[in-house]
Amino acid sequence: GNSVTQMEGPVTLSEEAFLTINCTYTATGYPSLFWYVQYPGEGLQLLLKATKADDKGSNKGFEATYRKETTSFHLEKGSVQVSDSAVYFCALIRGSTLGRLYFGRGTQLTVWP
Amino acid sequence: GAVVSQHPSWVICKSGTSVKIECRSLDFQATTMFWYRQFPKQSLMLMATSNEGSKATYEQGVEKDKFLINHASLTLSTLTVTSAHPEDSSFYICSISGGRSNEQFFGPGTRLTVL
Repeated sequence: GNSVTQMEGPVTLSEEAFLTINCTYTATGYPSLFWYVQYPGEGLQLLLKATKADDKGSNKGFEATYRKETTSFHLEKGSVQVSDSAVYFCALIRGSTLGRLYFGRGTQLTVWP
Repeated sequence: GAVVSQHPSWVICKSGTSVKIECRSLDFQATTMFWYRQFPKQSLMLMATSNEGSKATYEQGVEKDKFLINHASLTLSTLTVTSAHPEDSSFYICSISGGRSNEQFFGPGTRLTVL
């Protein structure tokens, strides 16, 4: 089946620290992979995506590389800010179908000044 | 990306009443809309997929008679929680999908509290 596994949170960092949130997936076919971010009290916003193996998605200093050999899509940022505090969700859509998203459980990130 | 709105943003109701939540695509014709439920500190659970002009497809374990979904147009889908009970209290989020991209665009969510 299709599933996404994210590292358990919460993650607490000081400002300017390096961030990694691990994400691995199980899927049939060739999924597209996404990272969504949810700020307090808001809906989800797409942070970045990658549609095929070895693609790197990037946005707002965040990066994630689609690794087919390790079925991973880890989220990284070199220097986090207080404003990055949010919940981060890894997700996949199987193939190119306009189908359902499979979400990980989400990882709460808190950044202290 | 597409802009999605939800109304109301929050609602408090008495047990046994019905509540309707609207999801609108403001600048995109959405052939497919999704309804999710999110419990505190947990991931999103897909409830149903609705396609314009046809019946919604519900996920296993979701009561279709309790969570009525209507996708009457390409810009509007509604979720009605019938005979709401406290255990229905949750954050309900819709998303839209359409066009050639497989990206989904999410509404801001509706916080339902049933007393």
